[in-house]
Amino acid sequence: QQQVKQSPQSLIVQKGGISIINCAYENTAFDYFPWYQQFPGKGPALLIAIRPDVSEKKEGRFTISFNKSAKQFSLHIMDSQPGDSATYFCAPLGNTPLVFGKGTRLSVIA
Amino acid sequence: GAGVSQSPSNKVTEKGKDVELRCDPISGHTALYWYRQRLGQGLEFLIYFQGNSAPDKSGLPSDRFSAERTGESVSTLTIQRTQQEDSAVYLCASSSRSTYNSPLHFGNGTRLTVT
Repeated sequence: QQQVKQSPQSLIVQKGGISIINCAYENTAFDYFPWYQQFPGKGPALLIAIRPDVSEKKEGRFTISFNKSAKQFSLHIMDSQPGDSATYFCAPLGNTPLVFGKGTRLSVIA
Repeated sequence: GAGVSQSPSNKVTEKGKDVELRCDPISGHTALYWYRQRLGQGLEFLIYFQGNSAPDKSGLPSDRFSAERTGESVSTLTIQRTQQEDSAVYLCASSSRSTYNSPLHFGNGTRLTVT
């Protein structure tokens, strides 16, 4: 049931740098594209999401870019901070059981 | 208001024993999900409840796993004859709408250790 491929598995970024995480999907029925952020010992929490009628959405330092034809969407974290260190999951939604990507462990170092 | 509450937060059990995990969703949320997360791994879908519809049990790994939900409130996940490979964090999530297009609100999980 490998409908969602997330990359990279882990990422180390210098403080102030840009973090980029990608998610590729197969199911064209997906129609809502969220990213979740998970800190150790906590459940994932919605970070930002996009609908397929727009190509980009920005909320503060976080941006989703969506490429419908390539069936990919990505998360960009500008001016990355140590507090952004967490695991990030993509979880596109549609008429199927919810499938999460395998996660990207981001470490932002000073 | 209150978020999704899960209990217990930690559970240590002996191999072969049964365990019951509880989830209290956000009031008014019609959809409820259970996921399993092994150490350092992603989220593995287990089961989905939506209102009074038949649950989607397609993710349950074996017949030792079962779950119930009373109306649109509390859910319990039961694991019978626990095995060491059942050791994981079990996460519950709820959402407010009757379609899949709604963000999930997660609890902090129950960390299950089978010795």
